[in-house]
Amino acid sequence: KNQVEQSPQSLIILEGKNCTLQCNYTVSPFSNLRWYKQDTGRGPVSLTIMTFSENTKSNGRYTATLDADTKQSSLHITASQLSDSASYICVVSGPGGYQKVTFGTGTKLQVIP
Amino acid sequence: KAGVTQTPRYLIKTRGQQVTLSCSPISGHRSVSWYQQTPGQGLQFLFEYFSETQRNKGNFPGRFSGRQFSNSRSEMNVSTLELGDSALYLCASSREENTEAFFGQGTRLTVV
Repeated sequence: KNQVEQSPQSLIILEGKNCTLQCNYTVSPFSNLRWYKQDTGRGPVSLTIMTFSENTKSNGRYTATLDADTKQSSLHITASQLSDSASYICVVSGPGGYQKVTFGTGTKLQVIP
Repeated sequence: KAGVTQTPRYLIKTRGQQVTLSCSPISGHRSVSWYQQTPGQGLQFLFEYFSETQRNKGNFPGRFSGRQFSNSRSEMNVSTLELGDSALYLCASSREENTEAFFGQGTRLTVV
């Protein structure tokens, strides 16, 4: 069964600090991996999309890495801001369309002053 | 460029009723997908439409249905509502399958 596991479930960090969120998956075959940021009560917003051949991708203070061999991805947030407080969801897709999309349950990040 | 628009934003219904949710995709996007999000289950895929045809369907009962119109706008219908249907229903649009999906703000459905 395809699974996407994220850790930690929740995280509290001080403003200005860095943090790393983890995503391990068993989806196979693999097409792409996406990280989304979801503010409370809002729809998810795409941060990065990576295919099999990409190891790292940045979007401002967000940097995602992918190790397709170990089926692991991480999202690193640099110099956190209060506005980074949100849930971060890892989504893994296999080839073959939406039936092959598996969502992680997310990491809830809280940045405190 | 307008984003994905979902209406209504909030909805309260009683058990046994039916509900219709609407989604207007980004202009030029032909794929519209629907998701249910609950605190316990996270995001779950409902179905996806492309050019008025349902191409993919998740593992939900037949009470959940949808359609897409010629202008790519989509509606989702849930009949005989149950308490467990209370959730945030999200719609996403993309140009093609497996291209970047943009989500709407969602419709918060509460069944009492």
